[in-house]
Amino acid sequence: GEEVAQTPKHLVRGEGQKAKLYCAPIKGHSYVFWYQQVLKNEFKFLISFQNENVFDETGMPKERFSAKCLPNSPCSLEIQATKLEDSAVYFCASSPGGANVLTFGAGSRLTVL
Amino acid sequence: KNEVEQSPQNLTAQEGEFITINCSYSVGISALHWLQQHPGGGIVSLFMLSSGKKKHGRLIATINIQEKHSSLHITASHPRDSAVYICARVTGNQFYFGTGTSLTVIP
Repeated sequence: GEEVAQTPKHLVRGEGQKAKLYCAPIKGHSYVFWYQQVLKNEFKFLISFQNENVFDETGMPKERFSAKCLPNSPCSLEIQATKLEDSAVYFCASSPGGANVLTFGAGSRLTVL
Repeated sequence: KNEVEQSPQNLTAQEGEFITINCSYSVGISALHWLQQHPGGGIVSLFMLSSGKKKHGRLIATINIQEKHSSLHITASHPRDSAVYICARVTGNQFYFGTGTSLTVIP
């Protein structure tokens, strides 16, 4: 499709529960990026993929966060044992690569209670 | 390291004013993006620049590669321009974001 589709739009979890977010990039875009935005502040880079391979994971809190981009499936970002500070909007973006267009999804708002 | 600096952080303008938002970076880039995040949260790509100037409606973006500086201008600002404007540099296949400029245009 011509848009980056993120689901769910909203997700509420109790502290300690698991949360899983999905992102379907634009067809033909080989790069997928996940960003975390807390309270409309700056974007914190989490992880990027080139096709199904991790391209850069320097932003990932590895002990609880994991992500995958498998062929013929939406990409996913999973948080095990959520904490209150994980409450944020998680944006997915995709790009054909290089100095090219970056298209954002509408974001998934995670609220951890 | 990020090193994408935006100024000002916050800006309030009267409707009709000419607005400039600045973005500076310190490493080589292949392109620079200007993004707009609406109050509802949605993010729209406004421009992608690698040199010179681009214009779309009342929006103009310029970049000076030698000085590592880009500006976003809004002519005849309108309350619907109220949003957060974010610049992002592209180096390799990675995007590095500025902290954003929150613009409020008062009728």
